[in-house]
Amino acid sequence: DADVTQTPRNRITKTGKRIMLECSQTKGHDRMYWYRQDPGLGLRLIYYSFDVKDINKGEISDGYSVSRQAQAKFSLSLESAIPNQTALYFCATRGTRSEAFFGQGTRLTVV
Amino acid sequence: AQKITQTQPGMFVQEKEAVTLDCTYDTSDQSYGLFWYKQPSSGEMIFLIYQGSYDEQNATEGRYSLNFQKARKSANLVISASQLGDSAMYFCAMREFSGNTPLVFGKGTRLSVIA
Repeated sequence: DADVTQTPRNRITKTGKRIMLECSQTKGHDRMYWYRQDPGLGLRLIYYSFDVKDINKGEISDGYSVSRQAQAKFSLSLESAIPNQTALYFCATRGTRSEAFFGQGTRLTVV
Repeated sequence: AQKITQTQPGMFVQEKEAVTLDCTYDTSDQSYGLFWYKQPSSGEMIFLIYQGSYDEQNATEGRYSLNFQKARKSANLVISASQLGDSAMYFCAMREFSGNTPLVFGKGTRLSVIA
């Protein structure tokens, strides 16, 4: 089993729908992140969390919200999806060492 | 504010040759870390190599090495003896160690290895 698991892996949704992307980790890390990847733009940070009570906005948080339900779980919500939120979404974790560990990604299409 | 620049959107290299992927960064912190990740066509992000700002020697991991030039603020990735499986997107990233700052990525370089 993967250390960082994202569900769903692929999702097609309609404009205006609410959608939640889930992330769970078994690494015991405090720090969790949500990134969005668009072609030619690299990975951009949406939200990050250092523990259950500490949530921070990233570079592109508008239109998104997050919930840190437990140390191991960090979910990303799109309250009212729009087509330009079509992207590949990554959850990542980091412990006391420096490198981040990524989930497999969620490919979201908003039609 | 930290910033990562990868100026090569795409690169080609002949199989078995070495290739250098460029990365420059901007930070006012003295303590930071530099990372390279590989993203094959399957989409997952694979950690390759790490260099700390205070590390005196360039990092190496198998065929990967990081050419760290602190004064120039560059952290280029060198892949030796390229293989067809090295064809992928490569991302440079940085994290400042003052405060709990997150990892910030460049826009990536697509490497294509030619047989």
